[in-house]
Amino acid sequence: QQPVQSPQAVILREGEDAVINCSSSKALYSVHWYRQKHGEAPVFLMILLKGGEQKGHDKISASFNEKKQQSSLYLTASQLSYSGTYFCGTVSGSARQLTFGSGTQLTVLP
Amino acid sequence: DTAVSQTPKYLVTQMGNDKSIKCEQNLGHDTMYWYKQDSKKFLKIMFSYNNKELIINETVPNRFSPKSPDKAHLNLHINSLELGDSAVYFCASSQGTAWWLFFGEGSRLTVL
Repeated sequence: QQPVQSPQAVILREGEDAVINCSSSKALYSVHWYRQKHGEAPVFLMILLKGGEQKGHDKISASFNEKKQQSSLYLTASQLSYSGTYFCGTVSGSARQLTFGSGTQLTVLP
Repeated sequence: DTAVSQTPKYLVTQMGNDKSIKCEQNLGHDTMYWYKQDSKKFLKIMFSYNNKELIINETVPNRFSPKSPDKAHLNLHINSLELGDSAVYFCASSQGTAWWLFFGEGSRLTVL
């Protein structure tokens, strides 16, 4: 079962902040975040593991609420290069396979 | 050097034909995947191989057959192509089955 992302789309100006949310009905082992620019492949941003470990890029932060099976990606001081579709992916404890949400389209305007 | 490479990048073909997409990774990863991305950008896993063994086989028509000759290669063969098969097919690899993915550039398949 795929995770639910919100919002579906967001438009902001350079320098503004954005939050993208991801929730699952299953107990999660980890949450992944990827960004896909138009016509390109998805690129890994961050992984958050049950227990608090995180690995990812320095300029992007995220949280993982294990009790609520929710994660949020925080984009601060947005740059034009942040534009793209952001996908969360979840790995549940039993399946150990990565299932993606439907994506959030982020557009940063000058 | 490209970490995960797919060929071809574009395929345009007629309904009923058979086509193959090849994928190679030079990252030394032990797990490889095929994902399908439809026109609505939904990324759906199709298959996953770990050390050449099929570990994920989602509900995919039998017309799709993956093959992994070794840990660095994963190919996808599609028989009797249908209009609904038009999509971008991404190959990906990871070290372990639950770690982050490196994606190839994608192969855009158009069935006419």
